[in-house]
Amino acid sequence: EDQVTQSPEALRLQEGESSSLNCSYTVSGLRGLFWYRQDPGKGPEFLFTLYSAGEEKEKERLKATLTKKESFLHITAPKPEDSATYLCAVQEGGSYIPTFGRGTSLIVHP
Amino acid sequence: DVKVTQSSRYLVKRTGEKVFLECVQDMDHENMFWYRQDPGLGLRLIYFSYDVKMKEKGDIPEGYSVSREKKERFSLILESASTNQTSMYLCASSLRTVSYGYTFGSGTRLTVV
Repeated sequence: EDQVTQSPEALRLQEGESSSLNCSYTVSGLRGLFWYRQDPGKGPEFLFTLYSAGEEKEKERLKATLTKKESFLHITAPKPEDSATYLCAVQEGGSYIPTFGRGTSLIVHP
Repeated sequence: DVKVTQSSRYLVKRTGEKVFLECVQDMDHENMFWYRQDPGLGLRLIYFSYDVKMKEKGDIPEGYSVSREKKERFSLILESASTNQTSMYLCASSLRTVSYGYTFGSGTRLTVV
């Protein structure tokens, strides 16, 4: 069973159509939850770190939130340039290495 | 901004060749990592290093080795390349071990023929 599950696997939106990506996790003692953006053929780019339930972080049209079992990446009024794969990673207490989810591929149509 | 530079964007090697993938970071990070990324499998950790001359196996170390002679440089070595090592290879670094995001390089797309 995967410790980190991202859903949906793929998401198509129209420009301006807000939505959310989900990252659910089963680790105990969360040390940190990380969101990355990855463009095709490139390495992931760090977006946010969340540490505790109730925490929120924002960057432009992106807002990440965290509960005890999952995180959401909310995308408000997306633009075509927001098209990318979004990766979630979770670092468990007692571990030095985060576990990555398989990502959500987002396509925003003009 | 921290930069992580991978020496090659694309490589094509023959089966059985010894392959070196180089990674350099410019912000004095202690921790460096090598991942491979394949469709449907996500990111898988090959090796990591917390300090010079120190290395730890990740989830899939078989067929690979690493070298870290200087703090800023972390090399991945494919001892005898095989076709199942065709993949995107990503190097990353981080300032701290715990609760800190990674800075990734742009990746090396390796094809073994």
